[in-house]
Amino acid sequence: EADIYQTPRYLVIGTGKKITLECSQTMGHDKMYWYQQDPGMELHLIHYSYGVNSTEKGDLSSESTVSRIRTEHFPLTLESARPSHTSQYLCASTGGFSVDGYTFGSGTRLTVV
Amino acid sequence: DQQVKQNSPSLSVQEGRISILNCDYTNSMFDYFLWYKKYPAEGPTFLISISSIKDKNEDGRFTVFLNKSAKHLSLHIVPSQPGDSAVYFCAASAVGGGADGLTFGKGTHLIIQP
Repeated sequence: EADIYQTPRYLVIGTGKKITLECSQTMGHDKMYWYQQDPGMELHLIHYSYGVNSTEKGDLSSESTVSRIRTEHFPLTLESARPSHTSQYLCASTGGFSVDGYTFGSGTRLTVV
Repeated sequence: DQQVKQNSPSLSVQEGRISILNCDYTNSMFDYFLWYKKYPAEGPTFLISISSIKDKNEDGRFTVFLNKSAKHLSLHIVPSQPGDSAVYFCAASAVGGGADGLTFGKGTHLIIQP
């Protein structure tokens, strides 16, 4: 049973729309991450957070923004979706200082038409 | 500039044989390496890891080998089973440098044939 939840699983949306991808975890983890993955490509870190009110940009530049108002919740927002945002978005969390402890959600497959 | 490279996009292996997935890295600061397995429409799941102070780590059918001088690691699966068909991602981290983010390769799609 998953302890980290992402919704929606699939989303098809028109250009210019504002969207929020949800990510919630029930493990009490302080550290949360958003990765973006295109088919056949590596996962790229786009945002991360080390706790409430902490957000940082990752290695890959992204037009999305994130917030961390509650420990368990780390939503990602695109103010104006474009076809170039079409991708899979994966949320992960970990407790402590252990890369082994990464738990990934099932991902959101976003298509912008 | 890819720091973690998986040069084989796909690999086909017969059931019961050994699967060997390869990974190369360029960043000498990496000191912790992991393999993740990913099924379609699911998130990656942790498989096995190895610290740079070791050259081998084994967990059941899965063994990871690390050659630091060659900046190369490999994942061996033996015997291969149909459920092993998935995309395998190699990942690395510079834990000793205080980072806990992961740098991923592009993945290798392993296909186990009956």
